[in-house]
Amino acid sequence: GENVEQHPSTLSVQEGDSAVIKCTYSDSASNYFPWYKQELGKRPQLIIDIRSNVGEKKDQRIAVTLNKTAKHFSLHITETQPEDSAVYFCAASPRSSNTGKLIFGQGTTLQVKP
Amino acid sequence: DAGVIQSPRHEVTEMGQEVTLRCKPISGHDYLFWYRQTMMRGLELLIYFNNNVPIDDSGMPEDRFSAKMPNASFSTLKIQPSEPRDSAVYFCASSFEDSEAFFGQGTRLTVV
Repeated sequence: GENVEQHPSTLSVQEGDSAVIKCTYSDSASNYFPWYKQELGKRPQLIIDIRSNVGEKKDQRIAVTLNKTAKHFSLHITETQPEDSAVYFCAASPRSSNTGKLIFGQGTTLQVKP
Repeated sequence: DAGVIQSPRHEVTEMGQEVTLRCKPISGHDYLFWYRQTMMRGLELLIYFNNNVPIDDSGMPEDRFSAKMPNASFSTLKIQPSEPRDSAVYFCASSFEDSEAFFGQGTRLTVV
């Protein structure tokens, strides 16, 4: 089955710096890769996702890159702000085969220092 | 739509008791997922349904756990008997086909 590894487990940056979180996956059939942000005591919420037919997607300060050959994808946050502090989860799913299974990485706790 | 609705929000129970967690997915969604979140193990997929049918329950820890989806608007996760190591936050999520999965607010379960 699918296995998703996420690094680093914790990340501390100064406000204004960039943050990068990396994930690798094992199932070559996976073709949908969402990223979720979870603030303390709240539910995970989608911030950006990418499908296997594109290599990069950007939404304002957030971007995701995907390398299907190497089976890894990354989240990039530029110009970080204190409100970006949260736990970030990557996930992978073989959606086109209608399994729908969504497997999460272990999470990265991001701390943005003012 | 009010989103994915879970109940109760908090549950404290004694070891050995039966616990039932409830979920109402977003109307029209055809996938429903149950996840368990702990500090040690992160977000674990327990089971998921497609059109009310259980597709993969390989994440269910043991026979004490069971899940049902009697119709498109309701699912339950039952633990019987409960144990202290079951203490966690249990999330239900739903999605439509291959779109974004929306999470409920979760049920924080404490077994004492």
